[in-house]
Amino acid sequence: NAGVTQTPKFQVLKTGQSMTLQCAQDMNHEYMSWYRQDPGMGLRLIHYSVGAGITDQGEVPNGYNVSRSTTEDFPLRLLSAAPSQTSVYFCASSAGSNYGYTFGSGTRLTVV
Amino acid sequence: GQQVMQIPQYQHVQEGEDFTTYCNSSTTLSNIQWYKQRPGGHPVFLIQLVKSGEVKKQKRLTFQFGEAKKNSSLHITATQTTDVGTYFCAGPLVSNYKLTFGKGTLLTVNP
Repeated sequence: NAGVTQTPKFQVLKTGQSMTLQCAQDMNHEYMSWYRQDPGMGLRLIHYSVGAGITDQGEVPNGYNVSRSTTEDFPLRLLSAAPSQTSVYFCASSAGSNYGYTFGSGTRLTVV
Repeated sequence: GQQVMQIPQYQHVQEGEDFTTYCNSSTTLSNIQWYKQRPGGHPVFLIQLVKSGEVKKQKRLTFQFGEAKKNSSLHITATQTTDVGTYFCAGPLVSNYKLTFGKGTLLTVNP
């Protein structure tokens, strides 16, 4: 039981490049979310999903896309990377609103 | 806008001292969750409180949910160096699907 797996752990991008951050969970959780963490800003919700085929925007969705074709996977796509997207990205999953979230170990992204 | 506020932002204590962090929401919450993040690590779920006035304990940690369900606190008795990290509260401000986090309280412990 691996929990929430995020890849890659580290990534450096050039401005304008695109990439996909991968997230997979093996706990059959319906809820999945992407957060970004910046110094002094806490964790801010980017996008979330309450089940396969259902996604919605969080607090800071601009510049990011998501899809949820299966219960297990919830990839986050950066369309055209900008230096403002330099951050640590966490994927998290939960069995529902009465349960806590399990977080992945994070992806540290630097955009130069 | 609606938000979850935490104070203090930082707290430095001597090992053995007590520590408390406070969380306030701009709106009534159906529940509140607490997480701990060790330096360089990821947030780890500690507990969820649901009922008005609820108090839960986990060893040296005591969690409270206010009567109006708009505030919460985490109290650590006799801190240890293993308690070092950032403590976050989080609540569903807008909907049950969107968990909003406070900015956290960074606890450092001097041995």
